[in-house]
Amino acid sequence: DQQVKQNSPSLSVQEGRISILNCDYTNSMFDYFLWYKKYPAEGPTFLISISSIKDKNEDGRFTVFLNKSAKHLSLHIVPSQPGDSAVYFCAASDGFFSSGSEKLVFGKGTKLTVNP
Amino acid sequence: NAGVTQTPKFRVLKTGQSMTLLCAQDMNHEYMYWYRQDPGMGLRLIHYSVGEGTTAKGEVPDGYNVSRLKKQNFLLGLESAAPSQTSVYFCATLGYGETQYFGPGTRLLVL
Repeated sequence: DQQVKQNSPSLSVQEGRISILNCDYTNSMFDYFLWYKKYPAEGPTFLISISSIKDKNEDGRFTVFLNKSAKHLSLHIVPSQPGDSAVYFCAASDGFFSSGSEKLVFGKGTKLTVNP
Repeated sequence: NAGVTQTPKFRVLKTGQSMTLLCAQDMNHEYMYWYRQDPGMGLRLIHYSVGEGTTAKGEVPDGYNVSRLKKQNFLLGLESAAPSQTSVYFCATLGYGETQYFGPGTRLLVL
């Protein structure tokens, strides 16, 4: 049973427009969420995170929104650039340190293509 | 500061052969992880370690063994490789802010 779902395997947007990547989760105990970016033949790299006490976190062109009641989070990239083309993974945790859980649960990823 | 490194980068095995994947980190992190990535499956946790001398099972541990004899190294072993273990393997460590740092990956092909 998938606890973290990324229902769109791929997304294509034009350079300069907004990219919105979505992620849904089922475990109400998740309280920390992360987005990772992965280029081909490289390991995933951390992009941005949000804890359950917030509903928005921003870092430059990247913003993550969390809707706890809907168990939904999204990553907005504005403006999108060709270099953003990669696979984006959503991940969730039920508390690395507070509850003793040290594990992340990953979604299957969304491949973003930004066209020039 | 190399971060997280993995050895080898690529390997071809025949069914039944054994091998060990090495993960090394120079960030003094306590927690280390082994994942596999398969097309359409995302990242799945195989085993992890919360410190030197400790290991624990993840989501898909069958067919793999691990050891953490030194804090900086985390080894993943395949005793008898099977074609189903063809995958890309990633090692990760847990750092500041509950962020996992990943190595570059090892591509394994089992024939």
